[in-house]
Amino acid sequence: GAVVSQHPSWVICKSGTSVKIECRSLDFQATTMFWYRQFPKQSLMLMATSNEGSKATYEQGVEKDKFLINHASLTLSTLTVTSAHPEDSSFYICSGMVWTSGGADTQYFGPGTRLTVL
Amino acid sequence: QQQVKQSPQSLIVQKGGISIINCAYENTAFDYFPWYQQFPGKGPALLIAIRPDVSEKKEGRFTISFNKSAKQFSLHIMDSQPGDSATYFCAASWPAGTYKYIFGTGTRLKVLA
Repeated sequence: GAVVSQHPSWVICKSGTSVKIECRSLDFQATTMFWYRQFPKQSLMLMATSNEGSKATYEQGVEKDKFLINHASLTLSTLTVTSAHPEDSSFYICSGMVWTSGGADTQYFGPGTRLTVL
Repeated sequence: QQQVKQSPQSLIVQKGGISIINCAYENTAFDYFPWYQQFPGKGPALLIAIRPDVSEKKEGRFTISFNKSAKQFSLHIMDSQPGDSATYFCAASWPAGTYKYIFGTGTRLKVLA
């Protein structure tokens, strides 16, 4: 399967600071990437869809000024959590989409980034 | 209509047994149904996926059964092993080009040694 990496794998920051998380597709070009948030023992919540060269599309209820997404190349998307607060502490996961034979879009996920805001 | 209902929430199976996880959907526009396995602190990994024109797909010990008329699909893990202990998510997607997945709520599987 396709490989997606994330960096950093975990980060601890002080309240009010900004944190950038990188998502890279290592062996494929990802025109579309997705950013998810996952709380403990819960399902994945889609935050936004990131398209290379264009603005991200945010899901309802997600603050686009707080969660800045940039998809500058076909292999890199970044999520910046601005002015982070303790309630932003979560597990953030990205995925890259691969168009498979038969017309299905398959998402391959990164390993996730654990963000803790003190 | 956007939901994918997954059950059970948790499951305990003896080593060597069969683990069965079920999902149901309402939106008949969905046409791709992947299953993901997630270990604690890790991202989900694609296990197996199916299209609605197929009633069953098998890959190793993992089988998806799909019932289009009932709008249900299930994951069967044969000869379950302690290493299979993880959280499993089903998902549903619209036709190619729409991209988004709708995820089930997850099933925490524990396989006893």
